[in-house]
Formats: sequence, C-alpha cells, structure tokens
Amino acid sequence: AQSVTQLGSHVSVSEGALVLLRCNYSSSVPPYLFWYVQYPNQGLQLLLKYTSAATLVKGINGFEAEFKKSETSFHLTKPSAHMSDAAEYFCAVSDGTGGFKTIFGAGTRLFVKA
Amino acid sequence: NAGVMQNPRHLVRRRGQEARLRCSPMKGHSHVYWYRQLPEEGLKFMVYLQKENIIDESGMPKERFSAEFPKEGPSILRIQQVVRGDSAAYFCASSRDSDHGNTEAFFGQGTRLTVV
Repeated sequence: AQSVTQLGSHVSVSEGALVLLRCNYSSSVPPYLFWYVQYPNQGLQLLLKYTSAATLVKGINGFEAEFKKSETSFHLTKPSAHMSDAAEYFCAVSDGTGGFKTIFGAGTRLFVKA
Repeated sequence: NAGVMQNPRHLVRRRGQEARLRCSPMKGHSHVYWYRQLPEEGLKFMVYLQKENIIDESGMPKERFSAEFPKEGPSILRIQQVVRGDSAAYFCASSRDSDHGNTEAFFGQGTRLTVV
C-alpha cells in the first residue's frame, strides 16, 4: 500500500523568500513521485515528477524537488517565492504497475506575502 | 492532442436527483481514474477503470455511486439520489499502459457538483 504525508496544511512565506513544502511517502515498491499545483477553481497541473532517473528533479516555474530514499522524502523547493506561486500544492505517489493510480497527500496551501 | 475532457464543468442538482459526470480520456489512454475533492481537502481516489472493466473501486461509496468506462464513449461517474454531502469537485485522470513508458496520469479540469 502507498501513502503520502504532507507536513503543514498551510505555509506562508514572504515574496522573495525560500519556499519549502514537505512530503514524505510510503511505498512497498520503487515509487513514482509527483508534485501538482492547483490554482483556485482549476484542475491539477503537473509541476514535476520523479521516475527513478536523477534524484534532483527540476520542474516548471522554478520549482525543484529532491528524492531521498533514506528519508522517504520528496520535498518541493523554490529559491525565491513569487506572488503568483500562491496556490495549493499536492504531493502524490504512484507505483506505476498496470496503470498510474495515484495517491495524493492532503495538500499544502502556500500563501505569499508582499 | 486534446487533454482529458470533463463535462460539464459545473453541475447543479437538487437533492434526490441523479448526477452524471463524463470524462473523455486522452487519445491512446485506456486507463481512467476518478477522484473527489471535498472543500478544503485533498483528492481522494474513488475508482480505477480500464475499458469495460472496473479494476479498483476501493474508494467508491458503497451506495448511490457507480462508474463505467464502456468500449465506446466516455467514462461516466453516476451519483444517484444526490445529497448535499456529495457537493465536491470530481476529477478524472487518464494514463496509458505503463509498458509504453508513460509515467503519469493526466488530469481533467474537473466537474464541480453543487447539490441544493
């Protein structure tokens, strides 16, 4: 069975500050890991994905995430927050077997202060 | 290549009516997944279907909810005798067979169901 835990339902940062959104996963097989962003009343947009290639994954909008097997973590970071980054972020895991049923974390809402 | 198409985008139903949500997967995708997002919550897996087969319905409520993915046409999520607690955003995703090297599910824009 797979699961995802996102630490912190709300994160607030100042514009220009580092963004760090935490995600820990549990998987009995090598996982595929994803970060999605959801803007208000919108669908999910894929930010980045880890598929067992490089452990440091770069995504869109300046975001990146590092897969750390020893810590079962896949934290999302961005060096400098922008007002447009304010949204809900979801970490997700899939085992990729026979399809990509994806299990989501509860989400972290990012607030960016001017 | 069009993305995952869901319709309607918004649906209003009175208590006791039926709600039908449609999802057309991306071209070449044979796996469909439905998720529900309640207000202020994350996405909860409901059901996973392949053409004409339900693979995993572990997240589906036992009553009033059903899903299908026929050989022809879109996948349908049906909610009978809706109640106010069914108000949520319902998202559909699709993927290809993993053997083809595709490594993610692609999501539609969602259908926002409001029960009044």
